Amino acid sequence: QKEVEQDPGPLSVPEGAIVSLNCTYSNSAFQYFMWYRQYSRKGPELLMYTYSSGNKEDGRFTAQVDKSSKYISLFIRDSQPSDSATYLCAMKWETSGSRLTFGEGTQLTVNP
Amino acid sequence: DVKVTQSSRYLVKRTGEKVFLECVQDMDHENMFWYRQDPGLGLRLIYFSYDVKMKEKGDIPEGYSVSREKKERFSLILESASTNQTSMYLCASRSTTIGGREDQYFGPGTRLTVL
Repeated sequence: QKEVEQDPGPLSVPEGAIVSLNCTYSNSAFQYFMWYRQYSRKGPELLMYTYSSGNKEDGRFTAQVDKSSKYISLFIRDSQPSDSATYLCAMKWETSGSRLTFGEGTQLTVNP
Repeated sequence: DVKVTQSSRYLVKRTGEKVFLECVQDMDHENMFWYRQDPGLGLRLIYFSYDVKMKEKGDIPEGYSVSREKKERFSLILESASTNQTSMYLCASRSTTIGGREDQYFGPGTRLTVL
């Protein structure tokens, strides 16, 4: 069983839709949670970062962590064609140093 | 702006060849990483380096080695390339900011094909 599970999609939505991307994990020691965005033929770039449980908002993006359910989400409001990319969740625990554990990534297409 | 560059975007090699993948970062980061990315498997850590001449195995080090002689450069070596090493290889570097924030900056990737 993978430590981090993420539905690979693909997910296709119309422009303006609210998008929900999710990951589940099995290791309760994970404390830091991240979302990376990867455009086609590019490396991933950090989009959102949260520590422990709760919500974090940045513009149209909201990251949510539910540690009791071992579940994290990324919401995109008013989605745009420029949001079309692969979204990867990543996480680490306090003593893992620099090491991250990544989900498989969800491929998202926002249609104009 | 942080920049992580990789020596090649596309590379084609033959089975048994020795392959060098180079990564350079320009932000004086201590930590550097090599990942491979495959459909259905996501990003998997091959090796990482905390500092010059320091290295640690990641989750899938078999068939690979690394070299970090200078802080800005981290090389991945495939001693004898095999077809199952055909993949996208991504290099990353990390700033060691206070509080554990994970600002890993990735290069554009090298698509390696082994024939």
